[in-house]
Amino acid sequence: QKEVEQNSGPLSVPEGAIASLNCTYSDRGSQSFFWYRQYSGKSPELIMFIYSNGDKEDGRFTAQLNKASQYVSLLIRDSQPSDSATYLCAPGDMYSGGGADGLTFGKGTHLIIQP
Amino acid sequence: DAGVTQSPTHLIKTRGQQVTLRCSPISGHKSVSWYQQVLGQGPQFIFQYYEKEERGRGNFPDRFSARQFPNYSSELNVNALLLGDSALYLCASSLGAASYEQYFGPGTRLTVT
Repeated sequence: QKEVEQNSGPLSVPEGAIASLNCTYSDRGSQSFFWYRQYSGKSPELIMFIYSNGDKEDGRFTAQLNKASQYVSLLIRDSQPSDSATYLCAPGDMYSGGGADGLTFGKGTHLIIQP
Repeated sequence: DAGVTQSPTHLIKTRGQQVTLRCSPISGHKSVSWYQQVLGQGPQFIFQYYEKEERGRGNFPDRFSARQFPNYSSELNVNALLLGDSALYLCASSLGAASYEQYFGPGTRLTVT
């Protein structure tokens, strides 16, 4: 059974600092990785995806992937109060972002950006 | 373009009743997946449909069923509702069965009393 581990938090970060969110996964076959942001009472919003080892940057967000260690992280630079949300990590397999097995989500990390 | 739409937004049902939830994917997307999210947990996969065929099923009882229509919209049915079925039901849309990114709709909040 696929497992995804995330520190549930809450993770408290001062405004303007770097927030670092971590995720480990059990399925070595996972080839694609997705980060979703979920505000309280809302549905998950896709903010980043990464397929290759290394870093991928998009604005203030950087996703880092280490397949050998089965570890993926999300860095948020210049954190803003509007970044306060739960961040969900979801590995996918090689040929579909979810597909026949769907996406397997962690419980999410609750991030609080303190003004 | 419109995103994924779901209806209804909220629903209250009694134990033993049946419920139907509806989803329309993003225009051009042919795959719909359903997820259940209970408070404090990540979404849990229920079904994936692509081109009107079931392509995947999660670990849910047979009380849960779904279908996809020629216009790629989808319905999720849950029979014999239990209190534990109370959750946010999410529909996710993607281009195809082999597409990487899934985009979620706003969800349907189901409360079973």
